Amino acid sequence: DAKTTQPPSMDCAEGRAANLPCNHSTISGNEYVYWYRQIHSQGPQYIIHGLKNNETNEMASLIITEDRKSSTLILPHATLRDTAVYYCIVRPSGSARQLTFGSGTQLTVLP
Amino acid sequence: EAQVTQNPRYLITVTGKKLTVTCSQNMNHEYMSWYRQDPGLGLRQIYYSMNVEVTDKGDVPEGYKVSRKEKRNFPLILESPSPNQTSLYFCASSPLQGYEAFFGQGTRLTVV
Repeated sequence: DAKTTQPPSMDCAEGRAANLPCNHSTISGNEYVYWYRQIHSQGPQYIIHGLKNNETNEMASLIITEDRKSSTLILPHATLRDTAVYYCIVRPSGSARQLTFGSGTQLTVLP
Repeated sequence: EAQVTQNPRYLITVTGKKLTVTCSQNMNHEYMSWYRQDPGLGLRQIYYSMNVEVTDKGDVPEGYKVSRKEKRNFPLILESPSPNQTSLYFCASSPLQGYEAFFGQGTRLTVV
C-alpha cells in the first residue's frame, strides 16, 4: 500500500471548518484514499473514501488533487465531538480489507 | 443496528492462563479481522478471515489463534498469554468488496 504522511496534530475552533491534509505521493492508479477516525480508545470509524473525484457525505468532504498525490478531509463545521485521531489510508481497489493504519493526525476542536 | 460486538470489554488475567475474546457481527460480512493497538505502534493486524474456515496471519500473529466456524463469529484465542500481549484489541468486519470496515468497541487486556 502507498505510504501516507499526515501532520501529527492540528487544532480547530468549534464551528469552523477543519481541513486535514494527507500526502500520498506514491499512490498508484488503482489505489483508493480512505479516511477513518478514532475517538479516544474507541474502535476506528469509517468517514469517507475516494478514487479521484471529490466526494461528500453527511460527515465530511474529501478533496483529492488532480495528480492524486495529496488529499484533504474537510469537516465543514467541527464540533467538540469531532476531537479524534484521523487516519488517511491508501490501498488498492475498493476494499476495506487489511487496512494499514499510520500514526494519523490528532485533531483537537477547541471551544 | 449494524454492529460488531466484542466481549469482554476489559480483562485482567495472569500469565499462562488461556483466554478467549469473542467477536460477533450481525451484517453477514465475509471478512473479519483482529487488530491490536499499542502506544507508538498504532493499529496492527493480528489475523484475518475471508470467510468461514478461511483464516490467515496478519502482521503480528505470534501468540494468537483464531477460528471461523460460523460467518458471524471470529474469536481471538490466547493459549498462554504473556505480559507483552497487554494491549487494546479491536475486531473488525467488512464485506469482501465493500468500502467500509466496522470496528468493535475494543477489549482492553492486561496480562500480569
